[in-house]
Amino acid sequence: KAGVTQTPRYLIKTRGQQVTLSCSPISGHRSVSWYQQTPGQGLQFLFEYFSETQRNKGNFPGRFSGRQFSNSRSEMNVSTLELGDSALYLCASSVWRLARTQETQYFGPGTRLLVL
Amino acid sequence: AQTVTQSQPEMSVQEAETVTLSCTYDTSESDYYLFWYKQPPSRQMILVIRQEAYKQQNATENRFSVNFQKAAKSFSLKISDSQLGDAAMYFCAYRGLNTGTASKLTFGTGTRLQVTL
Repeated sequence: KAGVTQTPRYLIKTRGQQVTLSCSPISGHRSVSWYQQTPGQGLQFLFEYFSETQRNKGNFPGRFSGRQFSNSRSEMNVSTLELGDSALYLCASSVWRLARTQETQYFGPGTRLLVL
Repeated sequence: AQTVTQSQPEMSVQEAETVTLSCTYDTSESDYYLFWYKQPPSRQMILVIRQEAYKQQNATENRFSVNFQKAAKSFSLKISDSQLGDAAMYFCAYRGLNTGTASKLTFGTGTRLQVTL
């Protein structure tokens, strides 16, 4: 099976702009989670989508939003970019099993966002 | 809230030797998953090993094994016969099974492993 794919891999934006990142999960995976990785804050959970519904959200401002499509692909959007939004954004996909909830998350290669 | 602590920012091991990376966590849940992920310079997060808390037997994957001590809330990773390709950042991660914790991984700060000749 193909792994999790993320586009674009690299992005440079300026303050105040908005950006949309895309994630295609492993075939058959219906859950997509997003994480932000920075040197200062480490890896932090942004949100998780399952069946086009946001199931959980981390402690990030409303400028960070996401959505999931019927084919399980997900996008995240950051509006009014700030310098501190420069980070590696990682997407992970997994299956959900009713008996044991979510299984292992498999990560994509990430999108490196630089805000100038 | 759940927390994961990795107290070793950096570790070094010689090729073919064994190294153990430490991880402790704090949770009030009785059932959960624990993971070790590896992040090489490419930044791709790769699953190394997974442990389910209700299983008493320690997980193993080839040269990688864990020492899971539930009562002590400790989850260390042992890498045997270390190889140059093992050099990476290693993250310990927790995931609960309750609503609110089931969706997300809580990560430690990572341990950078160097492998020397």
